[in-house]
Amino acid sequence: NAGVTQTPKFRVLKTGQSMTLLCAQDMNHEYMYWYRQDPGMGLRLIHYSVGEGTTAKGEVPDGYNVSRLKKQNFLLGLESAAPSQTSVYFCASSYLVGTDTQYFGPGTRLTVL
Amino acid sequence: QQQVKQSPQSLIVQKGGISIINCAYENTAFDYFPWYQQFPGKGPALLIAIRPDVSEKKEGRFTISFNKSAKQFSLHIMDSQPGDSATYFCAAGGETSGSRLTFGEGTQLTVNP
Repeated sequence: NAGVTQTPKFRVLKTGQSMTLLCAQDMNHEYMYWYRQDPGMGLRLIHYSVGEGTTAKGEVPDGYNVSRLKKQNFLLGLESAAPSQTSVYFCASSYLVGTDTQYFGPGTRLTVL
Repeated sequence: QQQVKQSPQSLIVQKGGISIINCAYENTAFDYFPWYQQFPGKGPALLIAIRPDVSEKKEGRFTISFNKSAKQFSLHIMDSQPGDSATYFCAAGGETSGSRLTFGEGTQLTVNP
C-alpha cells in the first residue's frame, strides 16, 4: 500500500496563477483533509470531506476550493494564488471520524512569488 | 481562534534526559487527545493518543499525562534519544468537532548526543 500520496512535491507559482494539488489514498478511507503548515502556527485545516461527493470548510478555507469526485482522491485548488498562500500543504485521511488516526501524505511545498 | 495552546516552541535536551511538552485546551467537549510526530521533510504521524477516562497512558518511552480539571495534557519522553529529534504536535478532537482535529502550534525537539 502506498498510503497517502501527494502530487506535486514542490511548486513555484506567480501571483494570480492557478493550480491544483492532488491527494490520493489507497486505504479505502472515508474522511480526507487538507491542512497547511506554517512556522509557529501548527497545522490548520483548510477543507475536509466526510465521503465521496462531500466537502466542508475548515479553519482557513478562503482562497481555496476542493473536490472529492472519487473516494480515493481529494483535490485542492488555488484559483488565484497569493503570496500569503506560500506554505507546506498536507493531505490526510482517516477511516472514521476525526477521533481516528489520521494518515498524512509527504506534503507539497508551494511558493507564490 | 487557537483552541489548543502548545509550549514550548522549541526544546533542547541532552541524550538520556526527559523531554516534556505541554498543551492546554479550551473546549471541554474535546474527548480525544493525540500527539503527532513529524520528521523533517515528512508528514506527521500518530505517536500516541489518550481519552479523558484515564489520567495517563504509556507506550514505551512515551507517556501522556492528562489533567481534565486543568484542561491540560503533556507528552513526556523518557531517556530521550537523538532519533527523537523531530517536531511534535498535540491535538484535540471530539464528537462535537465531527471529523476535525485542532492542532497545537508544534514543538521542535532537539536531542543532543
